[in-house]
Amino acid sequence: AQSVSQHNHHVILSEAASLELGCNYSYGGTVNLFWYVQYPGQHLQLLLKYFSGDPLVKGIKGFEAEFIKSKFSFNLRKPSVQWSDTAEYFCAGDTGRRALTFGSGTRLQVQP
Amino acid sequence: TAGITQAPTSQILAAGRSMTLRCTQDMRHNAMYWYRQDLGLGLRLIHYSNTAGTTGKGEVPDGYSVSRANTDDFPLTLASAVPSQTSVYFCASSERDNQPQHFGDGTRLSIL
Repeated sequence: AQSVSQHNHHVILSEAASLELGCNYSYGGTVNLFWYVQYPGQHLQLLLKYFSGDPLVKGIKGFEAEFIKSKFSFNLRKPSVQWSDTAEYFCAGDTGRRALTFGSGTRLQVQP
Repeated sequence: TAGITQAPTSQILAAGRSMTLRCTQDMRHNAMYWYRQDLGLGLRLIHYSNTAGTTGKGEVPDGYSVSRANTDDFPLTLASAVPSQTSVYFCASSERDNQPQHFGDGTRLSIL
């Protein structure tokens, strides 16, 4: 069965620091990958998605993610975080057969 | 504004009682989903529907039922609530079953 793993459960950064959140998936076939963000008290919003093509995907708010097939990874990056990036981040994968499989989430806390 | 509407926003329910969480979307999306969000576990799929008239079981379907009588509505029913069903429930929809999902604001449910 497909699974998605996020190994960083809680990350604390200072403003302007660079961010990289890990995501690994366990499916050998074609997979669609997503990063969602959930700001405190809000619903999930799509940050970016990868279906095919250029493995470096750019999303909203300066986020990007790189799909590395050989490593089964889809890490989220941002060169310089802001206090407003404090949120929970979810990686998710979809093999096209049913709904998304989510990782357990990474809580990002950005200190001013 | 187009989107997904969930009701109620929160509810406290006695164990053994039944409850229906409502979800309505006005985007004419074919696919709809119910997830529960629990700390440290991310989002787990309860049930899904790829099109009106069809439903399927997700990762944690026990104790829950759904129906999809039309495109817009996808209610989730707890026939006899138990404390382990205390959670935040999110409804989502997508154009098709492998497209990015749009999420509702969630229903916070506490079973006492």
